[in-house]
Formats: sequence, C-alpha cells, structure tokens
Amino acid sequence: EVQLVESGGGLVQPGGSLRLSCAASGFTFSNYVMSWVRQAPGKGLEWVSSLIGSGAATYYADSVKGRFTISRDNSRNTVYLLMDSLRAEDTATYYCARPTDYGGTYGLDVWGQGTTVTVSS
Amino acid sequence: DIQLTQSPSFLSASVGDRVTITCRASQGISSYLAWYQQKPGKAPKLLIYAASTLQSGVPSRFSGSGSGTEFTLTISSLQPEDFATYYCQQLNSYPFMYTFGQGTKLEIK
Repeated sequence: EVQLVESGGGLVQPGGSLRLSCAASGFTFSNYVMSWVRQAPGKGLEWVSSLIGSGAATYYADSVKGRFTISRDNSRNTVYLLMDSLRAEDTATYYCARPTDYGGTYGLDVWGQGTTVTVSS
Repeated sequence: DIQLTQSPSFLSASVGDRVTITCRASQGISSYLAWYQQKPGKAPKLLIYAASTLQSGVPSRFSGSGSGTEFTLTISSLQPEDFATYYCQQLNSYPFMYTFGQGTKLEIK
C-alpha cells in the first residue's frame, strides 16, 4: 500500500525550530518529487516546499524561503522539513504529498494524514 | 509569481444540481492545473490533473476543462458526498511553483 506518514509536529515558541518527517512506503521513493503543503486553521492550502528525487534541487514558497529547509534520505524513504525562526503565522497542519508522475506536474495524488505545528508563547 | 483566483468562493447548491467552479491564472500555465476536493479534517483528494484528466477512481460526474489562463471544474449532478471545499492548483516545473487557489466551499442549499 502506498502510504505517507508525517511526524514531528508540536508546540514551539516563536523563533524556535522544529523538524518534520514524512516516511514513505509502497513505492519507489527516489523516483518522485516530494512536497510539503500546509493549511492554517480555517484557511486554504498553501504549498511550502518541494525537492526532486535526487534531492539536488529544492524549491520554496516566498513565505518560508530562508527559514525552512527541505531534504530527503532516499535510503530511509523519508523527506524532512526543518523549520527555523518560526512565527505565529506558521501555525498549520503540514502535509507531505507525492505527485502522480515522477516530474511532479500532474497533481498530488498521495497525501499523509498531516502533522500539526503550533507556534505560540 | 503566478496567482490563481477561484470563483465563486462560496457556492450553495442542491443535490442533483450541475455546478461549475472557475479558476483563473494570472499568466498562462498551459494545462498544468489540478483540482482537489477536501472535506473537514481530511487531506485533499486529487480529482483532475492536466486540466481535464480524471484521476483514477473519481466519479465521472466530475470533469475539468480549460488551458492557458481559464479553467473550470464541473460536477454534473451533485451528490450528498460532494459537499466539500474545492481547490485548483498550478504545477509549473519552470520555474517550479505549486500555487493553490483560495478555495471554493460548496454547501448544501
């Protein structure tokens, strides 16, 4: 079964750091672009970051550029999101997602259950 | 950056109705557009990709059309399980950008 399972969310103070993990199973992980998408409480979906299968190229939304770092370990079938300098507006449910195609241009068809990050003092 | 604008933001309809949601891109994105359905507390579900291709397992009452800057999602005959929030998303590979529209909440009239 194709599956993504996120972990690492929690409560963190403004300015703090947190690392999210997403463990993949049931498919050839290294072939796929992997992405993080977030959703603030009561708000819409926001793309956060993506990286290609080899990990050699990474992409970020302007709202997180310079603060978040995406990475992957293909030997562990896991993608990470390191979040630094966290702000209240980063409070959201964070989803890991995989596209239908290797290149990532045909939509995200596999999603994790989400992990909740709350930034508050 | 490319912006996506969905209309309407809220839609009230009845079971059996035909509804259409529009997504407009601020620049041409060819057919690199997907549509999702999201229910409260759940992850989004992919409905349509490449603007008009139905994802496997999605009922045929859902259809998508458009290219360039204007796209539509149509539900031909609303079923009770279709009441949810719908999002469009552009998936450009150069420059890499995965922008979402702001969402359309479809409610029961």
